[in-house]
Amino acid sequence: EAGVTQFPSHSVIEKGQTVTLRCDPISGHDNLYWYRRVMGKEIKFLLHFVKESKQDESGMPNNRFLAERTGGTYSTLKVQPAELEDSGVYFCASSPGTGVEKLFFGSGTQLSVL
Amino acid sequence: GENVEQHPSTLSVQEGDSAVIKCTYSDSASNYFPWYKQELGKGPQLIIDIRSNVGEKKDQRIAVTLNKTAKHFSLHITETQPEDSAVYFCAARGSVYKLSFGAGTTVTVRA
Repeated sequence: EAGVTQFPSHSVIEKGQTVTLRCDPISGHDNLYWYRRVMGKEIKFLLHFVKESKQDESGMPNNRFLAERTGGTYSTLKVQPAELEDSGVYFCASSPGTGVEKLFFGSGTQLSVL
Repeated sequence: GENVEQHPSTLSVQEGDSAVIKCTYSDSASNYFPWYKQELGKGPQLIIDIRSNVGEKKDQRIAVTLNKTAKHFSLHITETQPEDSAVYFCAARGSVYKLSFGAGTTVTVRA
């Protein structure tokens, strides 16, 4: 069974540019989460989808971040325009209908904003 | 919201020795405490978890203990091996769909 897939694995962009991260969850997992880890700190929650609906986006830093999950399958996280403080590792995770008790993470996207 | 503190941030142990990582949480309503291991180039992977109605859980060389009164929980790795070298994260569930993570502990097992 394929795991959670994230693309790209690394992205280096300049301040003011736009970047789009993609996540393909495990097939059949209705729950999809985005997390971020900045500079060796804690992994912080960004938002949660149930199928195509945003269940909780309380962790999104500001309106420069936009997440979508069209058709309830893959998800994208767009940062526009990117700022220096957006640098970090962005993780996607998915789970079946048991909430966060069986959370499967992707390998992450390392985003560097210069 | 839930706040999780994790210590130490780095831990170096001799192969065969034990390693202990400690975490504290702030929300007394938290009822689920997983531990994740992140190896180089990979995402965090669940290695063990414990619920608030259990004080201790063991799986081969790893064990987790929970003290609800003090609001802290710990990960114990015995007979450490080189493949135990990784970053370990503790987490607490403050609501059904949200986990709060600690800042991670980088464990290095010296051969």
